[in-house]
Amino acid sequence: AQKVTQAQTEISVVEKEDVTLDCVYETRDTTYYLFWYKQPPSGELVFLIRRNSFDEQNEISGRYSWNFQKSTSSFNFTITASQVVDSAVYFCALSDLYNNNDMRFGAGTRLTVKP
Amino acid sequence: DGGITQSPKYLFRKEGQNVTLSCEQNLNHDAMYWYRQDPGQGLRLIYYSQIVNDFQKGDIAEGYSVSREKKESFPLTVTSAQKNPTAFYLCASSTGITGNQPQHFGDGTRLSIL
Repeated sequence: AQKVTQAQTEISVVEKEDVTLDCVYETRDTTYYLFWYKQPPSGELVFLIRRNSFDEQNEISGRYSWNFQKSTSSFNFTITASQVVDSAVYFCALSDLYNNNDMRFGAGTRLTVKP
Repeated sequence: DGGITQSPKYLFRKEGQNVTLSCEQNLNHDAMYWYRQDPGQGLRLIYYSQIVNDFQKGDIAEGYSVSREKKESFPLTVTSAQKNPTAFYLCASSTGITGNQPQHFGDGTRLSIL
């Protein structure tokens, strides 16, 4: 069975601090996909990134970076120089190769960035 | 702009009443999904549909029903059989159902009991 664990329920930081959101997953599949979504107060989940299990290169997009480590089954998300607009709930998700209707979401981490 | 529209944003249900949540997409996506989100929990899949006139149960389908008569529309009915319907409901769509397809979400409907 697939499972995603986001152990951090809530994180609070002050603007300009760096923050890392942890994501640990479990799967028996050798090929799978990992995702991060952002849910701002408006409620809509916004797709941030997709990573397949064969690509362990870290990715950077502006102030966002992702660290995928297959050896520890983790796909952590770092926000550098956080801003108030980064305040949201962030979800990590996992799907297998064939079926994204079986996408498993973590419980989410609520990030609050204070001015 | 292309996207997913959910309505209404807030909905109240009386005891014994069925209510229907609307979801419309103009992304030309084949697959559509309904999720339920409870506080402090991740999203749980209620129903999904890969093509018109076909849909499948997710993890928590009991007390819910759906239809997919048009590609653009995937309404969800919360029936009186759903004893604990208070939650945030999210509709999503994707171009296909293979695992690499990200899902695109609407901005949700919050359902409460009167």
